[in-house]
Amino acid sequence: AQTVTQSQPEMSVQEAETVTLSCTYDTSESDYYLFWYKQPPSRQMILVIRQEAYKQQNATENRFSVNFQKAAKSFSLKISDSQLGDAAMYFCAYSSPNFGNEKLTFGTGTRLTIIP
Amino acid sequence: DTAVSQTPKYLVTQMGNDKSIKCEQNLGHDTMYWYKQDSKKFLKIMFSYNNKELIINETVPNRFSPKSPDKAHLNLHINSLELGDSAVYFCASSPQLTGAGEKLFFGSGTQLSVL
Repeated sequence: AQTVTQSQPEMSVQEAETVTLSCTYDTSESDYYLFWYKQPPSRQMILVIRQEAYKQQNATENRFSVNFQKAAKSFSLKISDSQLGDAAMYFCAYSSPNFGNEKLTFGTGTRLTIIP
Repeated sequence: DTAVSQTPKYLVTQMGNDKSIKCEQNLGHDTMYWYKQDSKKFLKIMFSYNNKELIINETVPNRFSPKSPDKAHLNLHINSLELGDSAVYFCASSPQLTGAGEKLFFGSGTQLSVL
């Protein structure tokens, strides 16, 4: 079974600085998808960024980028120019093409605090 | 217009009661899900429905029953509520079940407190 581990329960960063959230996963599959979801205080989960394992190029979405290290099974999220609105819980997630979305496995989350 | 809406946002009830949470999506998606987020923020899937057919039931007690009157709705009925059922329940949808790389659209959650 796939597992997703987020070893940082909490992180904080000064506004306008850069922060990196860690995620590692365990799988025997060669093709899969990785996600970062954000859960702000409003509770609604929002997709931040998505990476396909067969793509070597790291995904980027504006101030958000990932460092995908397939061999190391690592998928970290970098937030540049942190803003107050980035304060949230961040969840790393994994899904397998063999099972689809019903097997979306989440990590335990990292609470990110932005210091003004 | 809210893409995935669930009601109520908060639900406080006594142990042993039966309650329902409603979910509706206006995205035309084929698949809907229920997730449970416990007090430690851990998210785990409970059910998924594809075209009104239950696809998966992840070791969820049979006191929980999803009901889908049509493709746009997936309600969650809970019988004989227990203290351990207290959690935040999220409804979500996606265009297809088999699209593993697809984005999930989540509702804003229902915080259930069982006293």
